[in-house]
Amino acid sequence: TQLLEQSPQFLSIQEGENLTVYCNSSSVFSSLQWYRQEPGEGPVLLVTVVTGGEVKKLKRLTFQFGDARKDSSLHITAAQPGDTGLYLCAGAGAGSYQLTFGKGTKLSVIP
Amino acid sequence: DTAVSQTPKYLVTQMGNDKSIKCEQNLGHDTMYWYKQDSKKFLKIMFSYNNKELIINETVPNRFSPKSPDKAHLNLHINSLELGDSAVYFCASSQGWRSEAFFGQGTRLTVV
Repeated sequence: TQLLEQSPQFLSIQEGENLTVYCNSSSVFSSLQWYRQEPGEGPVLLVTVVTGGEVKKLKRLTFQFGDARKDSSLHITAAQPGDTGLYLCAGAGAGSYQLTFGKGTKLSVIP
Repeated sequence: DTAVSQTPKYLVTQMGNDKSIKCEQNLGHDTMYWYKQDSKKFLKIMFSYNNKELIINETVPNRFSPKSPDKAHLNLHINSLELGDSAVYFCASSQGWRSEAFFGQGTRLTVV
């Protein structure tokens, strides 16, 4: 079974601060996705990374896939209250229909 | 125009009852899933169907039975509901195994 560990589990920061969320595994993934989930809604995809070492930027969010494709990070610059939510990483094994989700990082950005 | 829709959004029922949750996707995807999210927000896959065929069946009690009448629908029927079944159930779809999953809004099931 492939497991994804996310850290930190909870994060409460002031508006304008920077933060990084980590997603780690001992398994290799063919691709890794990041989702954001708001209360009462389903997860919404933010990005997919597929190549080891890949870096993708989405406005103030920067996603990186580890060289060995076992880990990933999400960095948010100058966080805003609208960034508040549950951030989930999910990995897909080679040839697998199954996405394995991490337990999520609950982010609160205080105005 | 909702991509993945599931009904009902809320379901409160007594122990021992049988209930169904319906899911439909209008994205033309060939793969559909059911996930369970517990009170700690952990998302765990239950079932996956590809072109109406079951391809993943995780360790889920056989009281849970998915049914896929066609590629666009994947319903979940639950027999003899137990207190521990209380959770949010999400339907999702994707095109192929590597592509992004699109989730429905979830069904909050409360068993009393």
